[in-house]
Amino acid sequence: KAGVTQTPRYLIKTRGQQVTLSCSPISGHRSVSWYQQTPGQGLQFLFEYFSETQRNKGNFPGRFSGRQFSNSRSEMNVSTLELGDSALYLCASSPFSGGGYNEQFFGPGTRLTVL
Amino acid sequence: DQQVKQNSPSLSVQEGRISILNCDYTNSMFDYFLWYKKYPAEGPTFLISISSIKDKNEDGRFTVFLNKSAKHLSLHIVPSQPGDSAVYFCAATGGGSNYKLTFGKGTLLTVNP
Repeated sequence: KAGVTQTPRYLIKTRGQQVTLSCSPISGHRSVSWYQQTPGQGLQFLFEYFSETQRNKGNFPGRFSGRQFSNSRSEMNVSTLELGDSALYLCASSPFSGGGYNEQFFGPGTRLTVL
Repeated sequence: DQQVKQNSPSLSVQEGRISILNCDYTNSMFDYFLWYKKYPAEGPTFLISISSIKDKNEDGRFTVFLNKSAKHLSLHIVPSQPGDSAVYFCAATGGGSNYKLTFGKGTLLTVNP
């Protein structure tokens, strides 16, 4: 079974731009969660989508948004990029909703650098 | 406010010895705890978990201990192997519908041959 895939793997943007990251979950998994990893803050939960609905949201500004499609693929968008948005963005999938109570399978991440 | 804390950024042990990774939490609503392992250039992978109704869970070389009164959990790896060298994240969830995972900042474990 193929794992979670994320595209692109690396991205360089400038301040003020917007970016869209993509995540394809493991086949049959309907829950997709997004996390931001930075050296100073560690792994922080952004949001979870299940069956195209946002089920939970972390403490991030409205510049961070996401969506999920009917095939469970998910995208996250960051608008008006700031230097502090430079991070590794990780996507995780799970067969069920319920966030942390279910084992989550992570992709390799997208490394975003904002200049 | 960091609700899950891993106070040791790094830990170095000899192959064959025990590795003990520690984690403290502040939110008394947490009722499920997990450890994830992360190698460079890969996403985290689930290692072991424990429910708050237990105080110990074992899986092969990995054992997690939970001390609810102290709001402390630890991961023991015995015996440690060079392939265990990775960043270990402690995570917690709980509080009814608030089931999002809250992670610690991670501990880099290096197992020396």
